[in-house]
Amino acid sequence: EADIYQTPRYLVIGTGKKITLECSQTMGHDKMYWYQQDPGMELHLIHYSYGVNSTEKGDLSSESTVSRIRTEHFPLTLESARPSHTSQYLCASSDSVPQNSPLHFGNGTRLTVT
Amino acid sequence: AQRVTQPEKLLSVFKGAPVELKCNYSYSGSPELFWYVQYSRQRLQLLLRHISRESIKGFTADLNKGETSFHLKKPFAQEEDSAMYYCALAGYSSASKIIFGSGTRLSIRP
Repeated sequence: EADIYQTPRYLVIGTGKKITLECSQTMGHDKMYWYQQDPGMELHLIHYSYGVNSTEKGDLSSESTVSRIRTEHFPLTLESARPSHTSQYLCASSDSVPQNSPLHFGNGTRLTVT
Repeated sequence: AQRVTQPEKLLSVFKGAPVELKCNYSYSGSPELFWYVQYSRQRLQLLLRHISRESIKGFTADLNKGETSFHLKKPFAQEEDSAMYYCALAGYSSASKIIFGSGTRLSIRP
């Protein structure tokens, strides 16, 4: 079934560890996004990609990095996790055409850094 | 600067009462506006977009360019409408990104 998948759903990790949050979609979408969301707060765009080998930083400064080597895969990496990285991370994808096609969201990864 | 403002964090109304979730925006140009919804234990999903001019689950939203608003309305609230609602904005350039407001939690009391 065409969908967008995020793993893990929950992650508790110690300060200084390297982590990768996985996001994959089977809808053939060109555009993919990472949003960061704190409880009761707006979604902040931290990274986006409009296709393979294309990545851009979003509006919210983030110490994370992303890669887009394959259309369906858009992982997010934190080289050294800190408590300030504790948040919910949402991955989304959308078609390139038509313009402003709706975003399809994954279930999110709730990250806690102790 | 692009910005989406949802002034109410929480809105609580009785079942059968009218609902209006407020959304104001700032954008230099003609944006496209959306409402996304997240029901309990479900993913964030598109509810409606202004260019579609549709009524979805009884909800409508009209873009008011003069007041730069895109309020979400429903004449008679139902318990299943309880959810988190996010207003969002996007421009029409190929490089445009979608930005979201802080969300309003709608709670329908029986």
